[in-house]
Amino acid sequence: QVQLAESGGGLVEPGGSLRLSCEVSGVTFSDHYMTWIRQAPGKGLEWVSYMNSRGDTVDYADSVKGRFTISRDNARASLFLQMNSLGVEDTALYYCARSHEYGGVDYWGQGTLVTVSS
Amino acid sequence: DIQMTQSPSSLSASVGASVTMTCRASQSVTNFLNWYQQKPGKAPELLIYFTSKLQSGVPSRFSGSGSGTDFTLTISNLQPEDFATYFCQQSYRTPYTFGQGTKLEIK
Repeated sequence: QVQLAESGGGLVEPGGSLRLSCEVSGVTFSDHYMTWIRQAPGKGLEWVSYMNSRGDTVDYADSVKGRFTISRDNARASLFLQMNSLGVEDTALYYCARSHEYGGVDYWGQGTLVTVSS
Repeated sequence: DIQMTQSPSSLSASVGASVTMTCRASQSVTNFLNWYQQKPGKAPELLIYFTSKLQSGVPSRFSGSGSGTDFTLTISNLQPEDFATYFCQQSYRTPYTFGQGTKLEIK
């Protein structure tokens, strides 16, 4: 079955950086758009970024544009999110998800927690 | 960005009852509207995509309708496992924004 496993979260000081990873199995990774979605503690869902299957089309939420960079390695079936200039507002559980053909997401990882605090 | 507004923010109902919740978009999203269910401590799960198409494995007591800016999710014959938070999401134009959620509680 399709499995997504995020890693790389942790505690970081404001202004710091983190790189999240997501390993995908059970599906031909290179066939699918992929998405990052985050959820602040006790809050709703926020779409963060997506990348097409070839890795040549990306988009970002305005809240992260210029600070976050999405990338993928199809040979390793992995998705990444480089996060720079982190602020307390970036504290959230970050989910990696497979994009559905109609634009939603149909498979999710369990998330990796990013905490930005001094 | 397209703003998504869900109502009510919470509702309570009994097992066996039917409930309807709504999602309104700030501009037309045609039929690119998805619904997710999230239980505490778990990742969300896709229930319905493209307004009314049931994701594989989702019980038929879930149904969606609407178009343009106004959408509804109806759950009939509520089961104990249906008590959760429900989010709508538009996938018409990036950023693919979510509503703030409707929490469904047991009465």
